[in-house]
Formats: sequence, structure tokens, C-alpha cells
Amino acid sequence: GAGVSQSPRYKVAKRGQDVALRCDPISGHVSLFWYQQALGQGPEFLTYFQNEAQLDKSGLPSDRFFAERPEGSVSTLKIQRTQQEDSAVYLCASSPHTVADTYEQYFGPGTRLTVT
Amino acid sequence: AQSVSQHNHHVILSEAASLELGCNYSYGGTVNLFWYVQYPGQHLQLLLKYFSGDPLVKGIKGFEAEFIKSKFSFNLRKPSVQWSDTAEYFCAVKGSSASKIIFGSGTRLSIRP
Repeated sequence: GAGVSQSPRYKVAKRGQDVALRCDPISGHVSLFWYQQALGQGPEFLTYFQNEAQLDKSGLPSDRFFAERPEGSVSTLKIQRTQQEDSAVYLCASSPHTVADTYEQYFGPGTRLTVT
Repeated sequence: AQSVSQHNHHVILSEAASLELGCNYSYGGTVNLFWYVQYPGQHLQLLLKYFSGDPLVKGIKGFEAEFIKSKFSFNLRKPSVQWSDTAEYFCAVKGSSASKIIFGSGTRLSIRP
């Protein structure tokens, strides 16, 4: 596709439910990133994949958050037992380069998660 | 701790006014610096970036930014704003070999026609 796509665009979950958010990066992009953006804040890094390898997950806020990219393309961010503080926009970004190279990231439209 | 500070939460200007948005960062080591913009209803997109070389960087739509290493600053400027520049602007920093980009909290720019 022409850009990074994410689905669903909006998700409402009851507290305690599990959710799965999907990211389709730009075809051929090596690097994939997930960010969480709370209302009125800038994006905060969650995790980074180089191809299928999750090389940095230091930003995941708790063990309820899990991300995967099993074939090095599509990625899924899963949140178990959602809490109200998980309400945010979840952004995915991809890059044709590895983080060791100078690069820029291309962002998707985000998934707005509301936990009620 | 690594951080980015954007001093102005909301800036309101008239068309044709000059713009300067402040950005200071705290990061040890070699950095890459970015300004991203998010127009209403659109994705975050890159406005300009600094990796090395000339500290005065020119981006799209007439924007520029100057990296002043001694001040840990990367302020965004535009000599004459247009109504279409209404958007949220995010400054960001990345260590040259790090995986994460650290974003500031953003500055909302409103332009009066």
C-alpha cells in the first residue's frame, strides 16, 4: 500500500476485555514501531521490531501489553485485561532502515482505544 | 533522563506573522532531531530532520529549524505563516543508534485568517 495502515481506527472496550490492534507497514520496511499517545501528549515509544525480531520492548507499560510481528510484515499489539488508563491513540510507524542508520519513520493514522 | 521540552502549549498567530516554536532536549551523546506535524484529521508526518552537517535545516512548506548544540535547542521557524499551517507540531529526539524517538508534548498552532 501507499502508507502505513492500522485497524480498527476506533475501538471501545469494556474494562477487563482483551484487544488486538493491527498494523500494516509500508511494504518492504524493515523497522516497525508502536507508540502510545495519550490525550494532549506526544507519542511515547512502546516497542520496536527489526523484521520479525522484537529488539526493544522497554516502553511496554506492563506485562498486559504484548506485540508480535511473526513474518516480519504485519504487526499486532495486544492488550490484555484493559484498564481505563490504557485509553489512548496507538500509533504504528515503519521505516525502510534499521535504527543503526539515520532514518525517518512513517506513521499510520492510529487506533483510538477507549476503555469504559 | 532523556526528554524533550516544548515551551508553548498553544500558539495563536495571524496570517503572515512570523513563527518560532521552541524545543529543548536533554540527551547525552549524538542525536538526531525531528519536527513532525499533524494537520487536523491527518497522520503525523515529518516536517524536517537534522542528522549531521549544516545546523540550519530546511523542510517542507517553508519551515526551517536551527540546531544549536550548546543550547540543546532545535527551534522551528517560518517567516510568514498561512492559515493552512494550523496543526499540532511535535519536536522529537533520537540517539543516533537508539531505537526510540522521544517526542515532546506538542504545540498547537492556530492561525487566524
